[in-house]
Amino acid sequence: GEDVEQSLFLSVREGDSSVINCTYTDSSSTYLYWYKQEPGAGLQLLTYIFSNMDMKQDQRLTVLLNKKDKHLSLRIADTQTGDSAIYFCAENPGSARQLTFGSGTQLTVLP
Amino acid sequence: DAGVIQSPRHEVTEMGQEVTLRCKPISGHNSLFWYRQTMMRGLELLIYFNNNVPIDDSGMPEDRFSAKMPNASFSTLKIQPSEPRDSAVYFCASSRTGEQYFGPGTRLTVT
Repeated sequence: GEDVEQSLFLSVREGDSSVINCTYTDSSSTYLYWYKQEPGAGLQLLTYIFSNMDMKQDQRLTVLLNKKDKHLSLRIADTQTGDSAIYFCAENPGSARQLTFGSGTQLTVLP
Repeated sequence: DAGVIQSPRHEVTEMGQEVTLRCKPISGHNSLFWYRQTMMRGLELLIYFNNNVPIDDSGMPEDRFSAKMPNASFSTLKIQPSEPRDSAVYFCASSRTGEQYFGPGTRLTVT
């Protein structure tokens, strides 16, 4: 079945790196996504990685994919207070149009 | 591009009343999704359309909920009659190639 799991909370100090982890179960997923949700707003697409890649870097964001372990992570370098939000990972299983979302990780950046 | 547009942004109604939520997807996107987000259940997919045709409505909670997409640029989600447990944030998202782009959501409160 399809299931995406994330830890619920993460706190980091401003300037440190944040690592948000996600595990998924569907090995047929072709793309995996990270979304950010700020209070009172919709989900904003941050980045995504194709399943044949191990790593993708985009400015302060680094996505790592371990297909063997079905583990996805999002690293935010030099975390800022504006990075405080809920981060969702999502998988796109097979040829399906719909995404399966995790429960979200609440990132709190402490001054 | 204006992004996904939803209206109203906030809706407060009394139990038993009909509620209609509206969505305009991004131009050129051929898939449209309706989600509901609550603290208890997180983000739930209610229904999605591909080329204006409903593909999967298994997430629609009960017959009180209905969704239509009369053309490629407009969709509605209707709740009739509304109940307090329908209180949530309802998101619309659209996509063309896989990644979904979310609207700002409609916060529905049923008293």
